[in-house]
Amino acid sequence: DQQVKQNSPSLSVQEGRISILNCDYTNSMFDYFLWYKKYPAEGPTFLISISSIKDKNEDGRFTVFLNKSAKHLSLHIVPSQPGDSAVYFCAASGDAGNTGKLIFGQGTTLQVKP
Amino acid sequence: KAGVTQTPRYLIKTRGQQVTLSCSPISGHRSVSWYQQTPGQGLQFLFEYFSETQRNKGNFPGRFSGRQFSNSRSEMNVSTLELGDSALYLCASSLLADSYEQYFGPGTRLTVT
Repeated sequence: DQQVKQNSPSLSVQEGRISILNCDYTNSMFDYFLWYKKYPAEGPTFLISISSIKDKNEDGRFTVFLNKSAKHLSLHIVPSQPGDSAVYFCAASGDAGNTGKLIFGQGTTLQVKP
Repeated sequence: KAGVTQTPRYLIKTRGQQVTLSCSPISGHRSVSWYQQTPGQGLQFLFEYFSETQRNKGNFPGRFSGRQFSNSRSEMNVSTLELGDSALYLCASSLLADSYEQYFGPGTRLTVT
């Protein structure tokens, strides 16, 4: 039973445009969500996070939106740059007492074309 | 500040052998979690340690074990290796037990033949 799902395995966008990566979850006990970026042969790099008490968090070109009623979150990258090309993972945590346990989606490969 | 380091970076073992992987967290971080990444299953949580105590464990067989030392460094051990254990093993550290943000190392690529 996959509790965190990223239904789009890949996404291709033009440089300068917006990239929108989506993530759905099933466990209503999750209270914290994170996005990681991963390049080949490297570990995931923390990008941005959001607490369930918020519906938006912004950090530079990256914005995460959370819709608790729909159990859906999205990562917006504006403007997209070729260096953003990587695999993006959404992760959830917060099942009480399990803050050190992240549940990851399967990842979305983003390609930003120059 | 140095990031999370993992050794070795690459390892080839034979079925039935055992292996020990090492992780040094970011200086000052006291919580260490381990994950397995495979093409089919994605990133899956193995276990988490804080102050030398295992706080959480994922759904992996008892062949997978770990420990944490007083300096927060951690090791994971896999005994009686199987072909399906071939994966990228990632270690992540966080400042405290209830810190949500985890910072990952580069991983150890284990190949079992």
